[in-house]
Amino acid sequence: DTGVSQDPRHKITKRGQNVTFRCDPISEHNRLYWYRQTLGQGPEFLTYFQNEAQLEKSRLLSDRFSAERPKGSFSTLEIQRTEQGDSAMYLCASSPRLDPTDTQYFGPGTRLTVL
Amino acid sequence: AQSVTQLDSQVPVFEEAPVELRCNYSSSVSVYLFWYVQYPNQGLQLLLKYLSGSTLVKGINGFEAEFNKSQTSFHLRKPSVHISDTAEYFCAVRGDTGRRALTFGSGTRLQVQP
Repeated sequence: DTGVSQDPRHKITKRGQNVTFRCDPISEHNRLYWYRQTLGQGPEFLTYFQNEAQLEKSRLLSDRFSAERPKGSFSTLEIQRTEQGDSAMYLCASSPRLDPTDTQYFGPGTRLTVL
Repeated sequence: AQSVTQLDSQVPVFEEAPVELRCNYSSSVSVYLFWYVQYPNQGLQLLLKYLSGSTLVKGINGFEAEFNKSQTSFHLRKPSVHISDTAEYFCAVRGDTGRRALTFGSGTRLQVQP
């Protein structure tokens, strides 16, 4: 069983550009989560999908951020008009379909640097 | 809402010594508790979890944690650490109802010295 995969692993962009990250969850996991982790801090929740439905969104998810999971499999996180404050590690996690505790398994993350 | 406090930002320890990483939480509902480990430039790996039942939970790599409801704590322990245990350790909590998001502490950097 392969783990959660994320692409790209690293992204360097200039302020004002748009970026898009992809997350592929573990096969058969129907729940998918996005978190953001800044240097020296623990991950902070951004948003959560069950199948293709986006069920929770954090206040951290400003209107420049949008996440999709169109077919209930992979997900994308887009940041428009990037700012230096968006520099962080973006982590994706998934949890199994029949697990009532929602134990979350994380991918390797995408490290974003905004110059 | 839940919150997590990891009191120690860094814990230096010598190889083969025991270690305890402290985690306290607050919640108005029953909780699930997790410990994750993060190696440099990698994602988070699940070490162990407390869901219900026995308060002593055993995880991977020789780690264990004890849930103490009266003290709202979930401290992580290992009787003898290795150099390879050097990493960042995160405690996380989720309520057993409602929101599915994990709330993480700020992490404890375990530095194992030879």
